[in-house]
Order: sequence, then structure tokens, then C-alpha cells
Amino acid sequence: NAGVTQTPKFQVLKTGQSMTLQCAQDMNHEYMSWYRQDPGMGLRLIHYSVGAGITDQGEVPNGYNVSRSTTEDFPLRLLSAAPSQTSVYFCASSSQGPSGNTIYFGEGSWLTVV
Amino acid sequence: RKEVEQDPGPFNVPEGATVAFNCTYSNSASQSFFWYRQDCRKEPKLLMSVYSSGNEDGRFTAQLNRASQYISLLIRDSKLSDSATYLCVVKPFTGGGNKLTFGTGTQLKVEL
Repeated sequence: NAGVTQTPKFQVLKTGQSMTLQCAQDMNHEYMSWYRQDPGMGLRLIHYSVGAGITDQGEVPNGYNVSRSTTEDFPLRLLSAAPSQTSVYFCASSSQGPSGNTIYFGEGSWLTVV
Repeated sequence: RKEVEQDPGPFNVPEGATVAFNCTYSNSASQSFFWYRQDCRKEPKLLMSVYSSGNEDGRFTAQLNRASQYISLLIRDSKLSDSATYLCVVKPFTGGGNKLTFGTGTQLKVEL
């Protein structure tokens, strides 16, 4: 009963390095998204996808790329890490049907950029 | 003005108390409303949806006032296990999708 799985859970990067946060869901959900959570800011939407092959920008997309080659996977790429990207990242998924109001989150990825 | 505003707290209450959280939203076109619960260093989890007629789930009651763009959550008979951060969440469109707007959360600490 995996739900939404994110890896890694913790990561320290040096400024300028690149990395990919992995997200996978096994619920056959159409919708997937990435949020970041910072103190005093609430969760903010980075990128989202409404289905395989379709992605779009959220509120804070700069410095991040995404792709959705399969329904299950939605990786988030940091192109050149900056200290401002130190945050907690949550991947989320939901279905399009009547239960689409329930959003399932992964356990989070704690990223520190030094 | 933030799209979704909440009092950050913390609300420190004794066990058994009744506590109420409020939330206001700025987008009058918002269609769906939720309360999520987030424990320390954990992911948010859906607590309950909020309907115009108001809805109750055990000790939890949620209310929506569309005219005032105001959402509330009432917790009765607080338990130690209710200690968490409560997030007010708004979705602007009907149907599916997960483009949510989150408030910053209200922290609740229930004490003996």
C-alpha cells in the first residue's frame, strides 16, 4: 500500500549542483504536482501535471523542471541549486473522478543547499 | 494580501477544551475548501472538506461562509493527539486537479 513515494528523504547539495527528486504513485492518478513548504509561507505549487506528457507551471517554477513520461512518475529537477531552494518538497497526486478532492502527499524531501 | 490567511497561533489549550480556527480567502471564484492536518515533519493529510451547509465529523465541525469568504474549524473535547498544524486549503476550480492554495497553518498544542 505504497501511495505516493518520494526519494530521497534528505539531501544536502552544494550551490550549483543539480539533482532530481523522484516521485512515484501507484494509484493510477491523473494529477500530480510538486509543492515546496517554507516557514511562514505555506505550501506553494511549483509544477503540476494533469496526465502523462502534460505539465504546467505553478506559482514558483523558476529553477525547476519536470517531466511526466508515465502516469506513475513525476520527477522534479533542480537545474543549478541555490540556497533559496532550501526547503521541504512534497509531491502530491489525486484522481480526476468523484474522489478527486482527496490529495495524497508523499512524506516529503528535506533539501538543504549550502 | 495573501490568498488564504490564517492566524498562525500557537493555540495552547487544555485537554477537553473547545477551540476554533478561522480562515479567510480572497478569490471569490474559489469552489472547494478543505482543512488539512499536518504533524511535525510529516506530510499534510486531509482532515475534512468544507461544505456551504456546514459539516461535522465526530468532534470536528467545519463551516463555510461564501458571502464573507470565511471558513472555520471547530474542535470539541480536544485530545492530546489533536496537537498539530491545521491548514486551510482552497481550490479555485471545480472538478479534479490538485492546484491548491494553502494557508500558512494554525498551530494547535493541547496540554494536560
